[in-house]
Amino acid sequence: GAGVSQSPSNKVTEKGKDVELRCDPISGHTALYWYRQSLGQGLEFLIYFQGNSAPDKSGLPSDRFSAERTGGSVSTLTIQRTQQEDSAVYLCASSLGFGVGGAYETQYFGPGTRLLVL
Amino acid sequence: AQSVTQLDSHVSVSEGTPVLLRCNYSSSYSPSLFWYVQHPNKGLQLLLKYTSAATLVKGINGFEAEFKKSETSFHLTKPSAHMSDAAEYFCVVSDPLFSGGYNKLIFGAGTRLAVHP
Repeated sequence: GAGVSQSPSNKVTEKGKDVELRCDPISGHTALYWYRQSLGQGLEFLIYFQGNSAPDKSGLPSDRFSAERTGGSVSTLTIQRTQQEDSAVYLCASSLGFGVGGAYETQYFGPGTRLLVL
Repeated sequence: AQSVTQLDSHVSVSEGTPVLLRCNYSSSYSPSLFWYVQHPNKGLQLLLKYTSAATLVKGINGFEAEFKKSETSFHLTKPSAHMSDAAEYFCVVSDPLFSGGYNKLIFGAGTRLAVHP
C-alpha cells in the first residue's frame, strides 16, 4: 500500500516568511509524529498526535512552530516568521497506534521536506 | 532519561567483509530498540527492532542485532558487506512506559557506513 507522503519535497523561503509542511500518514494509522533532522542537532522529536489531539508538544523548539491534524489523517506543521536556524529536513512518521509492543511500535517515515531559509 | 550513543560516526569496510556498528543506550525502564537506515536523499527505513522478545533480532538485507541488557548495547552486524549497504545508520530507543505510553523515538547521532570495492 501507499506509504507516508510529505509535501512539498523541497521548500526555499525567505527569512520572516511563514511555511506550511504537509504529511499524509498511512491509511489507518492513528499515531503521527513529526521529527526534524538538522546538521547540528541530528534527528529530534517535535510533536506527537494520537488521532487529532497532540498529547506531547514538548519538542517544538519555539512558539513559532505549531501543528494540527484534522480528521485523524493529514497533518500540517506550520513555521511562522522563519529563521535561518529552521533550515532542516522535516520528517513525518506514522504508526498503527498507541501502546506497547509489536506492530504498534513501528513508525514508518515519509521522505521528508527539505526546508531552506535564506 | 533515555539516550543513545553510537560509538562510531564513520565506519569503512571492504565489500564482502563483516560490518559492526556499535550502539549503547540508556533507559530507565524496558526499552524498545531499533535500527533505521537512511540512504542518500531517501527516507528512513526500518532495518530491525527489539521489543523484549528474542534478544537476537534478524532484520532485512542480512542485518542482525543482539540486545545485551548487561552491557546496555544493541550492536548491528552483517556477515558480508555489499556496496548497496553504504548509507547512514541510526540506532533508536523508545520507552513508552517512560514517555507516557507513546513511542517517542530517541535517535543516536548516526553512523555513516562506507563500503569499498
